[in-house]
Amino acid sequence: AQKITQTQPGMFVQEKEAVTLDCTYDTSDQSYGLFWYKQPSSGEMIFLIYQGSYDEQNATEGRYSLNFQKARKSANLVISASQLGDSAMYFCAMREGRDDKIIFGKGTRLHILP
Amino acid sequence: DVKVTQSSRYLVKRTGEKVFLECVQDMDHENMFWYRQDPGLGLRLIYFSYDVKMKEKGDIPEGYSVSREKKERFSLILESASTNQTSMYLCASSPPGTLSEQYFGPGTRLTVT
Repeated sequence: AQKITQTQPGMFVQEKEAVTLDCTYDTSDQSYGLFWYKQPSSGEMIFLIYQGSYDEQNATEGRYSLNFQKARKSANLVISASQLGDSAMYFCAMREGRDDKIIFGKGTRLHILP
Repeated sequence: DVKVTQSSRYLVKRTGEKVFLECVQDMDHENMFWYRQDPGLGLRLIYFSYDVKMKEKGDIPEGYSVSREKKERFSLILESASTNQTSMYLCASSPPGTLSEQYFGPGTRLTVT
């Protein structure tokens, strides 16, 4: 079974609209971390945002926020006021407390339309 | 500023050649990782290392080996390159025992002809 599921292979969004990228995860650990990375066409992986399993508030970083719903095992990325430069591949990932490895989803390719 | 570097951005090799991909980090991280990335498959872990001379297989180790003689350097070796190893290879590092992110290098796009 997949540990990280991103159900949207691709999305098209109009510039300036808000975007929600879906991510669900599967773990039996109580302690874990959830991450989102952005990968532009140049290929580098850019860390965007982190949410710890014990964090009570949703993480925010500028225009990025993580909608963390623990009971539903959901960690959606919200990008407010999208920009053309947000066009990229986005990966959701999880690190379980007992493990140093990070498990990645298959990604969502986001296209921002002018 | 933290940095992970990879020896090449683009590499073209012939089938059967031995290929070395080098990764260096300057953050004194114990953990280092090699992934390959293919369209529709996301990032798949090939090998990782949690200390010098230590290594563990990831999800797809077949056809690859690794070497970590120094803390800052983690090498991925394709003993006899094949066309199905054409891919993007990403190296990453992270500190141990904390729920922190991995830091990635720029990637090496390898083509095996």
